[in-house]
Amino acid sequence: EVQLVESGGGLVQPGRSLRLSCAASGFIFDDYAMHWVRQAPGKGLEWVAGINWSGGTVRYADSVKGRFTISRDNAKQSLFLQMDSLRADDTAFYYCAKVDTSGLGVGRFNPWGQGTLVTVSS
Amino acid sequence: SFVLTQPPSVSVAPGRTASVTCGGNNIERKNVHWYQQKPGQAPVLVIYYDSDRPSGIPERFSGSNSGNTATLTISRVEVGDEADYYCQVWHGGSDHPVFGGGTKLIVL
Repeated sequence: EVQLVESGGGLVQPGRSLRLSCAASGFIFDDYAMHWVRQAPGKGLEWVAGINWSGGTVRYADSVKGRFTISRDNAKQSLFLQMDSLRADDTAFYYCAKVDTSGLGVGRFNPWGQGTLVTVSS
Repeated sequence: SFVLTQPPSVSVAPGRTASVTCGGNNIERKNVHWYQQKPGQAPVLVIYYDSDRPSGIPERFSGSNSGNTATLTISRVEVGDEADYYCQVWHGGSDHPVFGGGTKLIVL
């Protein structure tokens, strides 16, 4: 069974950093691109970042570019999101999601992890 | 960027058919994916590439895409189908996915 489990969320002050992790199992991790998608409480889905199978290509939403860094460790079947200079509007549930392709720009998100909540507040 | 427009809510009686629309400029040229999100849960893929169903998704769920509108159709609606539904495409040239704003399906 394909499974994605996020961790690392919590309460953090504005301007500080947080690192999210996503542990993958049940599939050949380095065959697929991976993504982070977030959802502010009561709001819709917003894509955050994506990384191709090797980690050689990454893409970011304009709202996080220059502040967030997506990375992966294929040997450990793990996906990461380093979030720096956090702001109140970064408060959201953060989901990792697998796509059915190795590259970016195509594919469906399936499955999604259960999400981890990041709250940015003083 | 590419904008996807969904109605905020759709109401339907149990046993009837619900249609959730997703509007976008020439959306028929894109592959549309649909996700169901129940309260407190992660999104789940229910339709991909306009009209294909993942394993485990009931045949009551179907999709179509024509012109400027993609449609998710749920037949014989059940109370358990009450959820938020999101459409998604890829914005060509930027490798960025785009989500619609979501539609809350209300089963009366």
